[in-house]
Amino acid sequence: ELKVEQNPLFLSMQEGKNYTIYCNYSTTSDRLYWYRQDPGKSLESLFVLLSNGAVKQEGRLMASLDTKARLSTLHITAAVHDLSATYFCAVGFGNEKLTFGTGTRLTIIP
Amino acid sequence: KAGVTQTPRYLIKTRGQQVTLSCSPISGHRSVSWYQQTPGQGLQFLFEYFSETQRNKGNFPGRFSGRQFSNSRSEMNVSTLELGDSALYLCASSAGQYIGGELFFGEGSRLTVL
Repeated sequence: ELKVEQNPLFLSMQEGKNYTIYCNYSTTSDRLYWYRQDPGKSLESLFVLLSNGAVKQEGRLMASLDTKARLSTLHITAAVHDLSATYFCAVGFGNEKLTFGTGTRLTIIP
Repeated sequence: KAGVTQTPRYLIKTRGQQVTLSCSPISGHRSVSWYQQTPGQGLQFLFEYFSETQRNKGNFPGRFSGRQFSNSRSEMNVSTLELGDSALYLCASSAGQYIGGELFFGEGSRLTVL
């Protein structure tokens, strides 16, 4: 059974700082997604990573995938308050359903 | 292009009652998945439908059921509600024919069981 772990679970950081969220998974995967969820809202798709070494960037967020290490990272550069949200990774393989990580609740402090 | 629409957005029920939630996927999407989100358990997969057929099912009791109609709209039903069923129920649609494609989520239906 595919297991997905994210760390940290909670992250409080100051505006302007850089930080990384980690997503580890237990078995082979051929696709990985990152989602953002604001409080009381739904999940918004951020990145789709489909191959080893894939890197995607959007604004202050950059996601990467290392399938050999079974690891994806979501890097935040020069954080701003509106990046405060919960971030989820979701992993899939073959014809199996996506498995979501536990989520990382990110709070940006002015 | 309209997104995934879920109704109702909020509802309150009492123990023992049943509830039906509705989901209209993005136009052209044929796959609909349902998730339960709670603070303690995170996102838990309920089931997934494609072309009116259940393709995948999570580890939930039989009180949780669903179906999909020919227009791809989906409903899920929870019977004999328990306090622990209080959660945000999220529906997601996907364009691809394979399971596990990129999911596009609706706003959710927040169920409170008293």
